[in-house]
Amino acid sequence: DTEVTQTPKHLVMGMTNKKSLKCEQHMGHRAMYWYKQKAKKPPELMFVYSYEKLSINESVPSRFSPECPNSSLLNLHLHALQPEDSALYLCASSWGLAASNQETQYFGPGTRLLVL
Amino acid sequence: KQEVTQIPAALSVPEGENLVLNCSFTDSAIYNLQWFRQDPGKGLTSLLLIQSSQREQTSGRLNASLDKSSGRSTLYIAASQPGDSATYLCAATNYGGSQGNLIFGKGTKLSVKP
Repeated sequence: DTEVTQTPKHLVMGMTNKKSLKCEQHMGHRAMYWYKQKAKKPPELMFVYSYEKLSINESVPSRFSPECPNSSLLNLHLHALQPEDSALYLCASSWGLAASNQETQYFGPGTRLLVL
Repeated sequence: KQEVTQIPAALSVPEGENLVLNCSFTDSAIYNLQWFRQDPGKGLTSLLLIQSSQREQTSGRLNASLDKSSGRSTLYIAASQPGDSATYLCAATNYGGSQGNLIFGKGTKLSVKP
């Protein structure tokens, strides 16, 4: 199984709503990532978890709150978002952080988020 | 600060043509260089990864090269097919950085016409 799954595929939310994005992998990877991708732009790293601990937070606003309940799951909790937060949110996983220069990240299909 | 640039931004070719996509990076101290494919509204699929000590990697009709001294990588696609239509992204990981620090180019949008 070389798949990273993300739910939901699409999400529409108001600025006062609370919602969560979910990501799951069963490849035994110990590093998991959240990226944000705006239209016609490359992905931008948001958070990195290594062995279920937050390793990197790229100065993301607190209205985005990541959570890694176990080694297979990664959540992104959303609260009081702004319309400019509308984007494709991608999850990825890899064996580890810089464990080998042969490593690659496996990406999920993404959740397309629209904030009204 | 590493910057990754991809030229051209868009490319349209007839089916069967061989083509080259270009990627340049400003900091040659890279860990590896990766090429990804992204279909519209979808996630990224890793195509090829070139370690810093390697010059090229091949997978089927795809061949990626790396020249650290000049800060360039190319993705060669042989005998292009309509199914190759997608956006191709290159990404560099800087030496000493974590795997999370993938620095992406803006991508080349490829359209292969039947």
